[in-house]
Formats: sequence, structure tokens, C-alpha cells
Amino acid sequence: GAVVSQHPSWVICKSGTSVKIECRSLDFQATTMFWYRQFPKQSLMLMATSNEGSKATYEQGVEKDKFLINHASLTLSTLTVTSAHPEDSSFYICSASVRREYNSPLHFGNGTRLTVT
Amino acid sequence: AQTVTQSQPEMSVQEAETVTLSCTYDTSESDYYLFWYKQPPSRQMILVIRQEAYKQQNATENRFSVNFQKAAKSFSLKISDSQLGDAAMYFCAYRSRRTGANSKLTFGKGITLSVRP
Repeated sequence: GAVVSQHPSWVICKSGTSVKIECRSLDFQATTMFWYRQFPKQSLMLMATSNEGSKATYEQGVEKDKFLINHASLTLSTLTVTSAHPEDSSFYICSASVRREYNSPLHFGNGTRLTVT
Repeated sequence: AQTVTQSQPEMSVQEAETVTLSCTYDTSESDYYLFWYKQPPSRQMILVIRQEAYKQQNATENRFSVNFQKAAKSFSLKISDSQLGDAAMYFCAYRSRRTGANSKLTFGKGITLSVRP
């Protein structure tokens, strides 16, 4: 149980375009979803925390206008990288917190490898 | 703010032998959770083991066990009978109980474990 599906697994886009990444909880309701960014051989850096029906909370230094997060339902959160540039190339991972089980470990999607050319 | 420190960037172990990965953390809270996650080359985050701070007994999961020293704020992972499939990046992580479902994971920098056949 507690499966998180992230799509797409990898995407290549041209500089200046926007890319949307979806994160779905398949068999549970996710009260909260988290978006992380990871560079090769480095740790996961939290970008933002999103709750269903409310605005996301962004970490310091993360541009909210560039990384748009929408948490439309208890099973879906999306991250849109707007006007992407080569420096946005990275691995993005979402994770979800199971509703009413806040003491459980977070469940992770498989990640999305974004390459901006 | 909580911090998690993994001071060893890399370790190597002979197949079938035992290895211990170190982790220390800093927090002013008394109630929290600690986790070890494994990230193989596929980059999928896999939960290895978790520990509730209020439990004195060290958690174990088959070949994986932890040495949790709350006063010293230390949380090391021991892998017994190492297997080739254990080769991965390992992250130590902290999660507060205070903010419930909004509680994020704070990760250490990670350690790359290689297993020699």
C-alpha cells in the first residue's frame, strides 16, 4: 500500500517552455505533499510543502513564481516549472504524508529527471 | 531548526560482512522520528528502517538494525551480511511530531555505500 505515482519519469524541454510534473497518491489520501529537488550525488532539498486546497509553503530561496505548485485534491499535486532554463535541470521527487497517519514515514514517487536544453 | 549530519561521504564493505553508517542530529525537541532511506541507482527512495524517539528499544528489520542513542543524538545504521544489492546511497532523516502531517523530512547529506564481491 501507500503508492505514490509520479509522472513523467523523465522529460526534455527547450529553454523558455514550461513543464508540469504530476504526483498522485494511488491508494491513500495524502493530506500533505512535499516537493524535493536533488542534484547528482547530493541530498534531497525541500522546495515546498503543499496541502490540499491551500497555497503551498515554499522554502527560503525557492522562487514561487517559477515553481508553481497546485494541490487540487487529496490525491494529486502538480509542480510546474515555468520558463525553464538549463539551470533548472535536476531530479525532482515528490512525497506524500498519509492522512491521519502523520507519524508514518513519507512515501516517495519515483522522481522526474528534467533536462532543459 | 533541526539538522542531520552524515559526516562520511563514502564507505565500502566486503560482501557478507557488516558495516555501520553513522548519523548525528541536532534538535531541541523530545518527540520525533528518525529514518534511514536507501536510494539505489534507480533513484527510488526506499524506507529501510524507522525509530520513534520515545522508544528506547533499537529498531531492527531483518539484516538492518539501528543504534539509537537519544542523549548523544546519534542514530547509526548497521547492515549485517552485506549483499551486492545493498549498494546505494543512504540517507538519515529526521521528522518532527510537532507539526503533524505538515512535518517535513530533514535529510543528511547521504553516504554512498559500495559492496565488494
